Amino acid sequence: QVQLQESGPGLVKPSETLSLICIVSGDSISDNYWSWIRQPPGKGLEWIGGIHYSGSTNYNLSLKSRVTMSVDTSKRQVFLRLTSVTTADMAIYYCTSGHWFDRWGQGTLVTVSS
Amino acid sequence: EIVMTQSPATLSVSRGERVTLSCRASQSVSSNLAWYQQKPGQAPRLLIYGASTRATGISARFSGSGSGTEFTLTISSLQSEDFAVYHCQQYNDWPRTFGQGTKVEIK
Repeated sequence: QVQLQESGPGLVKPSETLSLICIVSGDSISDNYWSWIRQPPGKGLEWIGGIHYSGSTNYNLSLKSRVTMSVDTSKRQVFLRLTSVTTADMAIYYCTSGHWFDRWGQGTLVTVSS
Repeated sequence: EIVMTQSPATLSVSRGERVTLSCRASQSVSSNLAWYQQKPGQAPRLLIYGASTRATGISARFSGSGSGTEFTLTISSLQSEDFAVYHCQQYNDWPRTFGQGTKVEIK
């Protein structure tokens, strides 16, 4: 079964760009839909956006101007790029699969601080 | 965007009790509704999709119902491992949206 593992810097400076990678194992990355979801400490879940293995994307309008997602099927990796981060972007970031999110990574905590 | 509203925010219950959690959508999401369980320090886990279909490996004491704008998650007899936060989520429209969560705590 598919397993997801997020990786990236735990600390990002304000106004800089956050880049995260989701490594997919155990199943094909193709013919699936991949999303990034975040959760500020002690708060609810926010869908950031998603990408089909073909490369088509959907983004949350609230973040659309700052978000880019991409997929490398050969490396079985899904990427998230979020520009101009602020403290409001501090959260645990999860990689998930499917349109209902049937698989989740363990999440990676991102802190925004100078 | 579709706003998902869960009630109550917190539910205090005893082991063995039957629990009913509610989720309301600001517009119809058909049956494109999922429920997740999240324990402290863990990622959410899918419980229900399609409003009423249990995910693989999920106990039969969890059941979902509803369609359109009103949905319910029922836990038939609460076990110790069921104390957690429960989230609903619609996947009928973009952006995907979640409710704010219902915390089920020990009474």
